[in-house]
Amino acid sequence: GENVEQHPSTLSVQEGDSAVIKCTYSDSASNYFPWYKQELGKGPQLIIDIRSNVGEKKDQRIAVTLNKTAKHFSLHITETQPEDSAVYFCAARSGGSYIPTFGRGTSLIVHP
Amino acid sequence: SAVISQKPSRDICQRGTSLTIQCQVDSQVTMMFWYRQQPGQSLTLIATANQGSEATYESGFVIDKFPISRPNLTFSTLTVSNMSPEDSSIYLCSVRTGGTTEAFFGQGTRLTVV
Repeated sequence: GENVEQHPSTLSVQEGDSAVIKCTYSDSASNYFPWYKQELGKGPQLIIDIRSNVGEKKDQRIAVTLNKTAKHFSLHITETQPEDSAVYFCAARSGGSYIPTFGRGTSLIVHP
Repeated sequence: SAVISQKPSRDICQRGTSLTIQCQVDSQVTMMFWYRQQPGQSLTLIATANQGSEATYESGFVIDKFPISRPNLTFSTLTVSNMSPEDSSIYLCSVRTGGTTEAFFGQGTRLTVV
């Protein structure tokens, strides 16, 4: 089955800095890669996703890149703000499955 | 998108008792799932809730411990039976609507077993 590794487990940055979270996956059949943000006391919320036919996708301060050859994808947050502080999960899903495999999460702390 | 209401949001339970968690969606959805999130850990799929039939459980989870119901396309329950402190976790309901790849999550139920 699919295995998703996520690093780092904790990331501490100053407000205004950039943050990068990296994930690798094992199943070459995976073709959908969502990223979720989980704030304290809430459920995960999808913030951006990318499909295997695209190398990069941006949405305001958030971007995701995908390297299919290397089987890794990354989340980039620019101009971080304190409200970006949360746990971020990457996930990978193959076309033949309805169920994503999640990484272990990254706790992002943005210091004002 | 789908709006998911999960109840209760949190509970503290005595060991040996059972707790039923409810998940209500504001629209009909094709698929409903239950996840467990242990402290500091990732999301682990417990089972897929099937409408009108028995749930499909993942390896390591059994029906006797986690009975699941899904009587219609908008509602499901997960029961955590004969609880022990090791069952202390956040339990999350997730849904997938037809025609989309996105998964939506409820706010979770934080369970503490003492």
